[in-house]
Amino acid sequence: SYDLTQPPSVSVSPGQTATIACSGDNLGDKYVCWFQQKPGQSPVLVIYEHTKRPSGIPDRFSGSYSGDTATLTISGTQAMDEADYYCQAWDRRLSYVFGTGTKVTVL
Amino acid sequence: EVQLVESGGGVVRPGGSLRLSCVASGFTFGDFGMSWVRQTPGKGLEWVSGITWSGENRVYADSVKGRFTISREDAKSSLYLQMTSLRAEDTALYYCARDVLGEFSGDYYNYMDVWGKGTTVTVSS
Repeated sequence: SYDLTQPPSVSVSPGQTATIACSGDNLGDKYVCWFQQKPGQSPVLVIYEHTKRPSGIPDRFSGSYSGDTATLTISGTQAMDEADYYCQAWDRRLSYVFGTGTKVTVL
Repeated sequence: EVQLVESGGGVVRPGGSLRLSCVASGFTFGDFGMSWVRQTPGKGLEWVSGITWSGENRVYADSVKGRFTISREDAKSSLYLQMTSLRAEDTALYYCARDVLGEFSGDYYNYMDVWGKGTTVTVSS
């Protein structure tokens, strides 16, 4: 099986930058998305194709990748960004695989 | 507005069966592949199954292969998941999601852009 590892939690002060890493073997060969999920709600796509933002997603959300690690960065974090974040990888052999999830707390 | 609405969840005994439905609106259903994803508090998100826009290709997670069947009915803008031989570990909130075909430097890939609100399946005696 293929595993994507994320830190269980990240804490950030309002206005500061939160970074969430997602690591997996040869992750750079796959296509990575990031989802935000608030309590009681469905996941919302915030980043696709490693770095692209869907329409309607604030530009404080950005994605990057290097080697086996993809990173979601939230710049100028706001209280409304408090949520669980999941990375997801896709390739033709695996289809979709989700990361373990990271709870972002805005202190 | 693009919308996906799941239904069909419920409580079922181990070994039982259940059929989930997902009705789409706000887009041309037949142009998109679709997926089922489930979520449990203990295991997070797990992709379950996917079907291409044509219905020709269906793929399954190893955990459900041979027990679950995905299908679609474009005339009704509907996606289905027939679940049999249900186990306690199938207990979860089941979402349907729209698959989008992306293109990067001539290579094609999939990603999910819209999710429904989910339907809950509980397998318990």
